[in-house]
Order: sequence, then structure tokens, then C-alpha cells
Amino acid sequence: QKEVEQDPGPLSVPEGAIVSLNCTYSNSAFQYFMWYRQYSRKGPELLMYTYSSGNKEDGRFTAQVDKSSKYISLFIRDSQPSDSATYLCAMSARNYGQNFVFGPGTRLSVLP
Amino acid sequence: DAGIIQSPKHEVTEMGQTVTLRCEPIFGHNFLFWYRDTFVQGLELLSYFRSRSIIDNAGMPTERFSAERPDGSFSTLKIQPAEQGDSAVYVCASRTRPRGNYEQYFGPGTRLTVT
Repeated sequence: QKEVEQDPGPLSVPEGAIVSLNCTYSNSAFQYFMWYRQYSRKGPELLMYTYSSGNKEDGRFTAQVDKSSKYISLFIRDSQPSDSATYLCAMSARNYGQNFVFGPGTRLSVLP
Repeated sequence: DAGIIQSPKHEVTEMGQTVTLRCEPIFGHNFLFWYRDTFVQGLELLSYFRSRSIIDNAGMPTERFSAERPDGSFSTLKIQPAEQGDSAVYVCASRTRPRGNYEQYFGPGTRLTVT
């Protein structure tokens, strides 16, 4: 079993839809959770960062962590064509060193 | 925007050849990371440096892979000899501090195709 699982998609939605992107993980030691957005031919860029369980909101984006279920989500409200990208989750047990694990990414297309 | 520079953007080579990929991190970033993205496993850490010292290279798949950062600025990743299974995108990242896993900046990657 991979340490971090993510549905690769592709996921196509109409403009304005609410998008839900999810990752599951197996390592209960993970405490730091990140979502990255990667446009074609660009490197991943950090979207959201959360520590432990709970929700975090930033504009149209909400990150949710459920440590009891080992499940994290990224919600995008009022999706726009410019949100079309690959979304990667990443997580780590510590906030230092280099021990975080990426999911394989979900490709999202928002159709105008 | 002085982001991470990786070269070449795309490398096509034959099996058995030597491949050298280059990364110039963001100026002042002490930590530099090499990842491989096979699109099936996601980004996998190959090795990382603090200044010119390798801190961890346990992710290097075989001894055919080596990384250097001779003066603590740019870094090279060498594959010698290349095999078809090495085809992937190799991504470089950098950051300033040991803490703050989220404070990492990624380059655009080099797409390697080994025929």
C-alpha cells in the first residue's frame, strides 16, 4: 500500500462548480499537511498548509484534515478555468528535515 | 522573478549514455532537493543538500545516480549510464531554513526521455 493515495483523475467540472480533492494516508505520525497546485510545465506551488486536524480557509479554497480517518481534502468553491491544474497533497511527521511524502496528484479541468 | 532554474528543459538520450541535469536554486537558499516524478508514485525525494554537503541521498534508486553541489550554489544530478526506466521528470527544489517543510520552492523540472 502506498503511504499517500490520491485519485489521479482527470476530473472535469463545469465553471462555478464546487470541487473536492482528496488524499488518504496510512502513517498516523503525519501532522503537517500541504496542498500544491502545479500548472503544466511549471513546478508545484504551495496553496495551503495545515497542522493537525481541522479546517483552514483561504479565499475560495478550504483545506480539511481528519486525522482519525487519515483523510484530507481540498475544496474549491466557484471553480474557474484558471484552477485547471494538477493538485498534489503532501504530508510530513515533522516540520523540519525532509521527510514529507507526496501524493501522485489529481488533474483537474474546469470547463468554461 | 528569480525562481529556480533547471536545465535542460527536456533531455532525450539513449540507453548507456551519461546524463547531467542542472539546478540553480533561488539565491540564498541553503537547502536544495532533487525529486523524481514518475507520475505514478508522485514526487519522490532522491537527495538533498545543506550548503555543499549531502544530508540524505537514501532516495537515489541505484549507484548510477549521483548528485553534487560543489560550491553550495548550483547542483548537478548525474545518471551514468542511463536506462529506459530512468525516464521521468526530475524536479529541483530549494528553501532557506531547515524548519518549515512548507517553505519549499519548486523548479519547473527537466523531462528526461531515455530511448
